[in-house]
Order: sequence, then structure tokens, then C-alpha cells
Amino acid sequence: DTAVSQTPKYLVTQMGNDKSIKCEQNLGHDTMYWYKQDSKKFLKIMFSYNNKELIINETVPNRFSPKSPDKAHLNLHINSLELGDSAVYFCASSQNTLEQYFGPGTRLTVT
Amino acid sequence: EDKVVQSPLSLVVHEGDTVTLNCSYEVTNFRSLLWYKQEKKAPTFLFMLTSSGIEKKSGRLSSILDKKELFSILNITATQTGDSAIYLCAVEPGTASKLTFGTGTRLQVTL
Repeated sequence: DTAVSQTPKYLVTQMGNDKSIKCEQNLGHDTMYWYKQDSKKFLKIMFSYNNKELIINETVPNRFSPKSPDKAHLNLHINSLELGDSAVYFCASSQNTLEQYFGPGTRLTVT
Repeated sequence: EDKVVQSPLSLVVHEGDTVTLNCSYEVTNFRSLLWYKQEKKAPTFLFMLTSSGIEKKSGRLSSILDKKELFSILNITATQTGDSAIYLCAVEPGTASKLTFGTGTRLQVTL
């Protein structure tokens, strides 16, 4: 059984397009996260939602908009994609203890 | 701003060697430190440390935290090629539910 799943796994798109990445967790966790991992493998938090409410919003361009329809889902929509948005995006979830479980990642390539 | 520094950045060892990975941090109101292993895809959880001087152990891996000197080490004994990965250290402040990651240590174990 997949604990944290993301779709799609790979996404290749052109500059200026709008795209979405979906994340679902079946662990019953209250908190979900989006991370961006750049080419140097540096993992940086972008957003965190707890019970569908935004609790962390790091310095991220407002072209990025997370949406949490319920506590098991956290989607990421990106408008007007730029070359610098190319990265691997990881979704994660946790319950209280911050032992975060990561999804498999979505490799986004903007051309 | 919270900061996590890992060393060395990369390491190549022979199978059977013992390695020590370092993580030093600066964080407001420390709550916990976590170690993750990242192979090809998502980081997977290894340890969470909250108290100084108490070793956490899992098979050939062990970790300890020093809250006075603000660092943690991850030891791997009798390394195997399957230990090759990036090892990530992250800290959680007491003031926010988020993790700040270090840049990771890339470990390569050769035959």
C-alpha cells in the first residue's frame, strides 16, 4: 500500500504554462507539506497544511498555490512556469511528531 | 534564520568501513533533529532525536545528539554498497511545524 503518492512522477512543460501536481496520503496524518529539491539536492520547504489550513508559507512566488480539499490531499498548482521552477517536488505528511513520510517526488522540467 | 550544516559533503569508502556523518545546527527553540536517507527517490526516515546523549540505534546505523554543542552524528558500521545514498539531517524548531534540511552528505560505498 502506498503511503504518500504523487502524480505525475514526471512533468515536462514549456515556459509560461500552468500545471498541477497532486498528492494523497493514506496514513491518516493531519499535516502535509510541499518541498522543492533543486539540482544540488537541497531540500527546502515550501508549504505546510494542517487539517486543510495553511500553517507554513515560506518565501515562494505567488505563482505557486497549494490547495487542500481535505486532510488527505494537498495539491500544488503552478502558474506561468519559469525555467527556475525545474526541480523535484516532494510531498510529505506527518502526525504530530514530525516524522515525515515523503512521496516519490515529481520531477518537473520546464523548457 | 535556522541553519543546518552537514559534513562532509561527500564521502567515498570501501565496503566494511565505518563512517561518521556530522550535522551541526542553529535553530530557535530546538525541538528535534531528524536523519533521513535518500537513495534515488524520496527521503526515508531513519531517526528522530530529541534528548542529548541518548543513542538511537537501528541495525548498523546509530545516531546521537549533543544539544549543548548543537550537533549530531550518524554512524554506519560495516558499510555495504546498499548504504550508498545521500544522508539528510533536518531540525525542527519549537515555534513552527517545519523542518530545515541540511545540504546532505553523499555517501558512496565501493567494493
